[in-house]
Formats: sequence, structure tokens, C-alpha cells
Amino acid sequence: GESVGLHLPTLSVQEGDNSIINCAYSNSASDYFIWYKQESGKGPQFIIDIRSNMDKRQGQRVTVLLNKTVKHLSLQIAATQPGDSAVYFCAENGGPSGAGSYQLTFGKGTKLSVIP
Amino acid sequence: DTEVTQTPKHLVMGMTNKKSLKCEQHMGHRAMYWYKQKAKKPPELMFVYSYEKLSINESVPSRFSPECPNSSLLNLHLHALQPEDSALYLCASSHQGMNTEAFFGQGTRLTVV
Repeated sequence: GESVGLHLPTLSVQEGDNSIINCAYSNSASDYFIWYKQESGKGPQFIIDIRSNMDKRQGQRVTVLLNKTVKHLSLQIAATQPGDSAVYFCAENGGPSGAGSYQLTFGKGTKLSVIP
Repeated sequence: DTEVTQTPKHLVMGMTNKKSLKCEQHMGHRAMYWYKQKAKKPPELMFVYSYEKLSINESVPSRFSPECPNSSLLNLHLHALQPEDSALYLCASSHQGMNTEAFFGQGTRLTVV
């Protein structure tokens, strides 16, 4: 079936370096993607989103890149800080169902550890 | 207010107990969701409510019974659960339509003994 997956389960980076977290998706009909950050014991927190008519979107210290040709999504975090340590999930919009609601399908997640 | 509030934060229940998880949002969202998350796994969709009506049930066992009393509240009634149902249960909400972010609550950590 369709799936959203991540290339690396864990990533360790030095404080101050840039982090890149990758995600592959297989549903070519996906048109909306979200990156979530989940800290231990907490719910997923929205970081940034991107629509399929874009290939890049920037936020504060974060950039999401979308390559529809190879169905690849990445999250770049600039000047990584200890507070960035968490599990990062990409999620895709599974399409509308029932009066316009939609389903989010999550990838497996990447654990980011920042070394002080 | 951009919060989704879930209660309780932690719950321990026996296999013969009946309990309920509660979720509340005041963002005017008309779509609300229940997700289940096992340790070191991504959240998995259980139910979707749209305009207070159940629109998606992802083949969830009947021992989980959702309820949406009004546009701000979402409940999950639990009965005769199994130890393997122990997990973090997450509630989320969003505006209707595609391409809008879903806001998540902090979850209820459920342990079935």
C-alpha cells in the first residue's frame, strides 16, 4: 500500500551545526505535507508545512524542500540547538474523506540528538 | 487559543473497567481526530469526526467507542481493554478541507493492567 517513510531512524549532530532529516513518500497523489516535532511525553507539534505546488518553504531556522520527481521531502534545521532534540515525523495528507476532513499518514520518525 | 486539551494525562485501568478520555478545543475546528501511538512508533489514525459526525473508523475494535457531543468536545469511551491497548492516545483537530495543519493535544498515557 501507500506509505510515508524516513531514510534514517536516528541522527546525531553537534550543537550549532545544520541538521537534515529526510522523508520518502510513495503516494504520488499527495499534495500536502507537514513536519511535526515530538518531544518525549508530549504530542506532535507543528513545525512547517508545504503544498505540492511549491518546492521550498522557509520558516524560522527551518526549511522544507519537496522534490516531487523522486517523491522526497526534507527538513533542514539551521544552527541546531539542544532544544531541537526530539523525534521528527513527516506526515502526508491522505486526501479528503467525509465532508472535507482529511487523514494524516505519518512516517516512521527520525530521532534527532543534539550534542552540546 | 491554539490548544487542544486532553484529560486525563495518565490513566491506569483494569481489563474490566470502563473509562473515558476527553478532548477539548476552542479553535472553531470542525474536524477532530483520535490517534493511537505505541512507543517509538508514529501516530496511527483511529477515528475522524467531521461536523460532529463520524466520518472515518480505521477498523478500530468496538471496545473503543468515540463520541462527539458538540463541536468543541471529543470523547473516547474505553471498555474491556487488553494490555496491548496500552499506548499514548492523541486527540487532534483541524479546520475542514485539505491542506490545513492538525493541532495535537499532549495525549493521554493509558496503561491497561
